[in-house]
Amino acid sequence: NAGVTQTPKFQVLKTGQSMTLQCAQDMNHEYMSWYRQDPGMGLRLIHYSVGAGITDQGEVPNGYNVSRSTTEDFPLRLLSAAPSQTSVYFCASSYLLGRGNEQFFGPGTRLTVL
Amino acid sequence: ELKVEQNPLFLSMQEGKNYTIYCNYSTTSDRLYWYRQDPGKSLESLFVLLSNGAVKQEGRLMASLDTKARLSTLHITAAVHDLSATYFCAVDGDLNDMRFGAGTRLTVKP
Repeated sequence: NAGVTQTPKFQVLKTGQSMTLQCAQDMNHEYMSWYRQDPGMGLRLIHYSVGAGITDQGEVPNGYNVSRSTTEDFPLRLLSAAPSQTSVYFCASSYLLGRGNEQFFGPGTRLTVL
Repeated sequence: ELKVEQNPLFLSMQEGKNYTIYCNYSTTSDRLYWYRQDPGKSLESLFVLLSNGAVKQEGRLMASLDTKARLSTLHITAAVHDLSATYFCAVDGDLNDMRFGAGTRLTVKP
């Protein structure tokens, strides 16, 4: 099992550019999520999905889109990058929340927006 | 809105000493998680606490949950350098969201 994989590991964008962060898991988990980690703020939930075709917003969804066409993949799209989106992004997956199922995290993508 | 607060945010300890990290949360959830993050790395699950009074131990770390007080503690016994990391607590919300505390950066000095 590869677990949760993310690509790319590092990315530099210019303000206004768009890009997609890729996330995939091979554990057949229903639940997938995206967090951003900024110094002193812990992890903040951007979007999450409880299954293919179902997505919902977290705490900080503005400027990001997601889709879930398959159980395995959950890409995060930055529509028009801004310097405030400079952060480390983590994707995670688990069996459904609410039942004590821990999330498994990918290695992260470090994004810098100039 | 679900809030999760950890303290302290920074902790510098000497090897061999004991200390406790606190995690307070604002919901009635009885599902609390502790994660560890090494610098530049991802998060690794440490403990899952699923009921009032739950206690789990792994090596020098022991976590407990008091759902009535909405409080979890992570106790470190006889700290060693290898425990230096950032520790996060997290709570399941009511809307399929897991919310994290800001993290406690632990440094263990010889």
